[in-house]
Amino acid sequence: DTEVTQTPKHLVMGMTNKKSLKCEQHMGHRAMYWYKQKAKKPPELMFVYSYEKLSINESVPSRFSPECPNSSLLNLHLHALQPEDSALYLCASSQVRQGLNEKLFFGSGTQLSVL
Amino acid sequence: GQQLNQSPQSMFIQEGEDVSMNCTSSSIFNTWLWYKQDPGEGPVLLIALYKAGELTSNGRLTAQFGITRKDSFLNISASIPSDVGIYFCAGRNTGGFKTIFGAGTRLFVKA
Repeated sequence: DTEVTQTPKHLVMGMTNKKSLKCEQHMGHRAMYWYKQKAKKPPELMFVYSYEKLSINESVPSRFSPECPNSSLLNLHLHALQPEDSALYLCASSQVRQGLNEKLFFGSGTQLSVL
Repeated sequence: GQQLNQSPQSMFIQEGEDVSMNCTSSSIFNTWLWYKQDPGEGPVLLIALYKAGELTSNGRLTAQFGITRKDSFLNISASIPSDVGIYFCAGRNTGGFKTIFGAGTRLFVKA
């Protein structure tokens, strides 16, 4: 099973709303990621969790708040977003092994529209 | 920082033709990954390469890890309409969490 599951598939929200994106994987991966992708562009890294601890925050605005409740789950809490935050949000996971390069697996994404 | 130059930017081909695309970097990577992405979906991993000179196939797809570790190519043989999509190359290094992506090659296949 090489699956990363993301919900919801689509989300429309107003600038005053609070919503959450969810991600789940059961591959035993201990690194989980959030990426943002604009149309016709490559994915851009937002956050990385390693062993449930935040390892990388790519200077993401505080209106995006990640959470890793356990080794299988990753959430992204959204609050007071701007229309320019509309994008495809991708979750990904990989193993964490010293000295080994691991594959990065993506979920199918949440298409977010901020009105 | 590290950057990947992926070419061509787009390709318009006839069904049955072979396709070749490549990525080059100014610095070395320990891993090269090739992904395909359909509209509104996440990237799907096609091939992973871990050793310089490595040549790996996945069905009609063949990818190679360059000897200098600064480049990789992907070939698709006998293209079919479902090959349409955006192909991304990506590089990773040992012990790092950052994956560097190329800008993508948009493939259009005419039946």
